Amino acid sequence: NAGVTQTPKFRILKIGQSMTLQCTQDMNHNYMYWYRQDPGMGLKLIYYSVGAGITDKGEVPNGYNVSRSTTEDFPLRLELAAPSQTSVYFCASSYLETDGYTFGSGTRLTVV
Amino acid sequence: LAKTTQPISMDSYEGQEVNITCSHNNIATNDYITWYQQFPSQGPRFIIQGYKTKVTNEVASLFIPADRKSSTLSLPRVSLSDTAVYYCLEAGTYKYIFGTGTRLKVLA
Repeated sequence: NAGVTQTPKFRILKIGQSMTLQCTQDMNHNYMYWYRQDPGMGLKLIYYSVGAGITDKGEVPNGYNVSRSTTEDFPLRLELAAPSQTSVYFCASSYLETDGYTFGSGTRLTVV
Repeated sequence: LAKTTQPISMDSYEGQEVNITCSHNNIATNDYITWYQQFPSQGPRFIIQGYKTKVTNEVASLFIPADRKSSTLSLPRVSLSDTAVYYCLEAGTYKYIFGTGTRLKVLA
């Protein structure tokens, strides 16, 4: 099993550019989550999804968008990149919301 | 979106037992308490989860009192490789919020 796969692993963006961070899980998990982690800090919830077609905002959703057209995929879109979005982004999934989460290996994003 | 509270950092020596406590002042009836471990440049890894009383697995033990207002992660006989950040999380309806984490440093 691949678990949770995130691509790309690293990316440098210029201010104002846009990109999509990909997240795929092969465990048939219902719940998926996007977190960001700034250097030396904890994880902040950006968006989450309780199933295909259903998404909702977390703690820090501004500047991001998500979609969940399938159970497997939960892409995170940055429309107008800003230096404040420089961070490591983690995708996670779980079968039930009370289950332990499986995390991906992260995407390290730098906006210059 | 409720948040947990835990100490920012702890130091310990190899071979000692380490206890990290988290407060859950707003925990809901259906929430489970979950703990994660994170090494630098890696995603968090699930360690243990419980609802009430005590849970033990091959890695750690989790103690939850009857009122469920706190939880204690116990790591027996830590080694240098246990140096990491440990997070508690209340897993339940529309939660998914991590606390600030406890940075554990194990000294030789």
